[in-house]
Amino acid sequence: DVVLTQSPLSLPVTLGQPASISCRSSQSLVHSDGNTYLNWFQQRPGQSPRRLIYKVSNRDSGVPDRFSGSGSGTDFTLKISRVEAEDVGVYYCMQGTYWPPLTFGGGTKVEIK
Amino acid sequence: QVQLVQSGVEVKKPGASVKLSCKASGYTFGNSGITWVRQAPGQGLEWMGWISATNGNTNYAQKVQERVTMTTDTSTNTGYMELRSLRSDDTAVYYCVTGDYEAHWGQGTLVTVSS
Repeated sequence: DVVLTQSPLSLPVTLGQPASISCRSSQSLVHSDGNTYLNWFQQRPGQSPRRLIYKVSNRDSGVPDRFSGSGSGTDFTLKISRVEAEDVGVYYCMQGTYWPPLTFGGGTKVEIK
Repeated sequence: QVQLVQSGVEVKKPGASVKLSCKASGYTFGNSGITWVRQAPGQGLEWMGWISATNGNTNYAQKVQERVTMTTDTSTNTGYMELRSLRSDDTAVYYCVTGDYEAHWGQGTLVTVSS
């Protein structure tokens, strides 16, 4: 199974400052069809996960443009350009290139300093 | 808009079974699939499996494949997941998910397994 390793585990951020989360895969996530099926999810406290980014860098409708995804192969990054209070929560990467099974990273908890 | 509405809280004893439901609306149910994901208290997300609502094909996580059955009812646009021989480490919130690249998530069902 593909293992996704996220870092850091915890990310204290000052409001208005940028934040960056890394997701590293145990193997390249480039599918034979040329796509890379790496998604990012946000889970606010007490809520269901919400998808933010799909296929590395495509932002979902309604997701603020301060969120961006990038990367290729085995290294991926979710960036928040200026953290707001509503961004507090746990962020997960997930790969769908090699499934079954779908696999998730362990999560990164974003909190306000 | 796509909505997934899941059944309510379940409390079960070890060894029992539970069957969760996930009622879908806002899209063509029979053209898609449903993924089930669970989250133990304070833990991360764990893929349980997937079922096609088109033809009933399934893929289950190796960890639970002997104890899980996923089904769909296209007449009511509802997906089901049954988990048998429950253990304390099955205590979790169970989510149903649908859409391309896991776009849409249900509100989750808390299952507590305790004697």
